[in-house]
Amino acid sequence: GENVEQHPSTLSVQEGDSAVIKCTYSDSASNYFPWYKQELGKRPQLIIDIRSNVGEKKDQRIAVTLNKTAKHFSLHITETQPEDSAVYFCAAAFQGGKLIFGQGTELSVKP
Amino acid sequence: GAVVSQHPSRVICKSGTSVKIECRSLDFQATTMFWYRQFPKQSLMLMATSNEGSKATYEQGVEKDKFLINHASLTLSTLTVTSAHPEDSSFYICSASRTSGRWNEQFFGPGTRLTVL
Repeated sequence: GENVEQHPSTLSVQEGDSAVIKCTYSDSASNYFPWYKQELGKRPQLIIDIRSNVGEKKDQRIAVTLNKTAKHFSLHITETQPEDSAVYFCAAAFQGGKLIFGQGTELSVKP
Repeated sequence: GAVVSQHPSRVICKSGTSVKIECRSLDFQATTMFWYRQFPKQSLMLMATSNEGSKATYEQGVEKDKFLINHASLTLSTLTVTSAHPEDSSFYICSASRTSGRWNEQFFGPGTRLTVL
């Protein structure tokens, strides 16, 4: 079936530390993996995405890695700041371009 | 570019009434639009995929006769919740992907908060 698993469900870090969120997906044909940040009551905001032809992508403090063999991808946030506190969702594209979302990770960055 | 709007942003209705939510791509043509539902503290659950001029494809467990989707043009899709009940209260979000540009990238609307009394 079409499934995306995300861990952990909650993550608490000290300001300045790194945060890592991991996802696995079910379909080896998936080729697009976006990450979203969502604040309460707002739309998901794309923060970074990766396509299956690369293994890693970085944008300032945010990086994503992809292991197609293991069907696994991860979000890395370095030098975390209190404003990084939010719910983060991974997603994977399945047939027809539809996105299936992971369960979400509530990240809390303590000053 | 790539702006998606939704209307209304909030709606409160009585049980048994129908509610229509509009999703528009303001500055691009959308080959495909998607409808999601999000309950409090949960993930976005895909309800259906709609392509302009054709019937929507519903995800397993989503009642197509209850959630009517019309994608009449390349810039407008509507979701009608028929005979709404309190359990339909949720945050409904649409997204759209462009006819050109990066394949699979979706642009999300701001969402509609539906409360059924």
